Amino acid sequence: GESVGLHLPTLSVQEGDNSIINCAYSNSASDYFIWYKQESGKGPQFIIDIRSNMDKRQGQRVTVLLNKTVKHLSLQIAATQPGDSAVYFCAEKMGNSGYSTLTFGKGTMLLVSP
Amino acid sequence: DAGVTQSPTHLIKTRGQQVTLRCSPKSGHDTVSWYQQALGQGPQFIFQYYEEEERQRGNFPDRFSGHQFPNYSSELNVNALLLGDSALYLCASSWIGGLSGNTIYFGEGSWLTVV
Repeated sequence: GESVGLHLPTLSVQEGDNSIINCAYSNSASDYFIWYKQESGKGPQFIIDIRSNMDKRQGQRVTVLLNKTVKHLSLQIAATQPGDSAVYFCAEKMGNSGYSTLTFGKGTMLLVSP
Repeated sequence: DAGVTQSPTHLIKTRGQQVTLRCSPKSGHDTVSWYQQALGQGPQFIFQYYEEEERQRGNFPDRFSGHQFPNYSSELNVNALLLGDSALYLCASSWIGGLSGNTIYFGEGSWLTVV
């Protein structure tokens, strides 16, 4: 079946650096792409999403880029902080209503050193 | 406003037993989805309930069943437990009219260990 996958399983950065987490997807029909942060022992927490008709979206310290040509999604975190250490998942949201389901990738662990 | 709540948080079961996990959705939400997250993996969609009916189902065997109650809360039942059912079970709630990605909220999950 179609899936969403990640290139790097672990990313280690220094506090203050910018972090980039990448994701490849295969389903062009997805309506939204979402980034989640999951801390140890907790459920996924929404970070930012981007609709399929957009290329870029910015939030607080985070930017998501969508390249539909190569089916690639990235999450950029500016001035990474130790509190950003977690596993990050990209997910595809199929459908534009509450009936939507999510297809997740395996995740990338971000480790931020002080 | 309470978010998505799940119970129990942790439990241990023996192979062959049955388990029931519970979820209360965020206030105002009417749709509940269940996901299974094995260690080191991303969550996998199990099924979704709306108006007390199963609306969509992922690639999970019939041992996995569920229910949604009139107050929108939901249960996930797993029969004849296998060692491979050990995972974090996540409940996600949403509103049927929700469009964007930030309309889906996850609970903290129920950790199931099958021994």
